[in-house]
Amino acid sequence: QSALTQPRSVSGSPGQSVTISCTGTSSDVGGYNHVSWYQQHPGKAPKLMISDVSKRPSGVPDRFSGSKSGNTASLTISGLQAEDEADYYCCSYAGSRWVFGGGTKLTVL
Amino acid sequence: QVQLVESGGGVVQPGTSLRLSCAASGFTFSSYGMHWVRQAPGKGLEWVAAVSNDGNNKYYADSVKGRFTISRDNSRKTMDLQMNSLRAEDTAIYYCAKEGTGATGWAAFDIWGQGTMVTVSS
Repeated sequence: QSALTQPRSVSGSPGQSVTISCTGTSSDVGGYNHVSWYQQHPGKAPKLMISDVSKRPSGVPDRFSGSKSGNTASLTISGLQAEDEADYYCCSYAGSRWVFGGGTKLTVL
Repeated sequence: QVQLVESGGGVVQPGTSLRLSCAASGFTFSSYGMHWVRQAPGKGLEWVAAVSNDGNNKYYADSVKGRFTISRDNSRKTMDLQMNSLRAEDTAIYYCAKEGTGATGWAAFDIWGQGTMVTVSS
């Protein structure tokens, strides 16, 4: 059960956009439209930001968006703000199991 | 409000057992599947186990299969994780998480607890 592949870190200046990729296989990301993204600030529990590839839960700013192409899903954060600095994890359903990515640290410069 | 509260963590020796609990409030517990997700110190998230809303279906990560048992009691609105034959690599914060609603999709975790720390060390 290999973890999904995410870049270890990304960075951007306030107001800019960043995209975090999440690469899996046809058994997980590519096989189901059940990719979700979580934001985690230090010492805090994860928070759901995107579900089912591109659905944004109530209360999540529309600066956050998700997409998928083949075996790779992406999270785009536009109009970066200081409070977006956090770790981000993708997660995919994989048929009676779930698999997370290794996490990406977003630094707002 | 919607809340999940974990308990039962602690420091244990390798080979021993520990039972974690998750108490739910603020939503119809019996309508949703529930999960355990863990995070080793300084590491990423790892899905551990899931139980269906009625408790009849249970799923496990390969890393814990045969050692951990997930269960739930809908009358008490609680979910448990019985962890046996603990290893050093089981050391982590254990979070309980609720499956999403119709709006978010069932395959996402829309509510998380604050976590309980499990340390396996001699």
